[in-house]
Amino acid sequence: DQQVKQNSPSLSVQEGRISILNCDYTNSMFDYFLWYKKYPAEGPTFLISISSIKDKNEDGRFTVFLNKSAKHLSLHIVPSQPGDSAVYFCAASGSSGGSNYKLTFGKGTLLTVNP
Amino acid sequence: GAVVSQHPSWVICKSGTSVKIECRSLDFQATTMFWYRQFPKQSLMLMATSNEGSKATYEQGVEKDKFLINHASLTLSTLTVTSAHPEDSSFYICSAGDGEQFFGPGTRLTVL
Repeated sequence: DQQVKQNSPSLSVQEGRISILNCDYTNSMFDYFLWYKKYPAEGPTFLISISSIKDKNEDGRFTVFLNKSAKHLSLHIVPSQPGDSAVYFCAASGSSGGSNYKLTFGKGTLLTVNP
Repeated sequence: GAVVSQHPSWVICKSGTSVKIECRSLDFQATTMFWYRQFPKQSLMLMATSNEGSKATYEQGVEKDKFLINHASLTLSTLTVTSAHPEDSSFYICSAGDGEQFFGPGTRLTVL
């Protein structure tokens, strides 16, 4: 039973355009959500997060939107750059700021930004 | 920033042997470290939570006698894959942090 779902295994966009990566979750106990970027044979690197008390968080070119009623979040990257090409993982936690920071990951979406 | 290292970065071993993977937090201390496994085109699956000075907490379906975890200090956790088999071949990633998690670069294990 996949509690965090990324239904698009891949996404291809043109440089300069917006990339929108989607994520759905089923566990209503999740209250903290994160996006990670991962290159092959490397560990994930943190991008941006959002707490369930917010519906938007922005950091430079990256914006995460959270729709709690739909149990859906999305990561917007604008403008997209070729260096953004990587696998993006959505992750969720049910203990934001707590000592047991267990994360549940989606399967990831491979983003390719074409020059 | 917080740095987590893993050693080795890749290892090839024969079936039936044991392999130890180290996870170190280089510039911070962490009471809690996590071990994940990732199969190709799959998500990172949490295997266990490693707690300094106490026993690890394993996720459902993960054999604790096969995947031995030792968190001997606030900067080091080890994962030992005992009697490795080809189906254990995977990418093993650790993370460390008592709040935000910082990930290591991963270890590619191939069991022949």
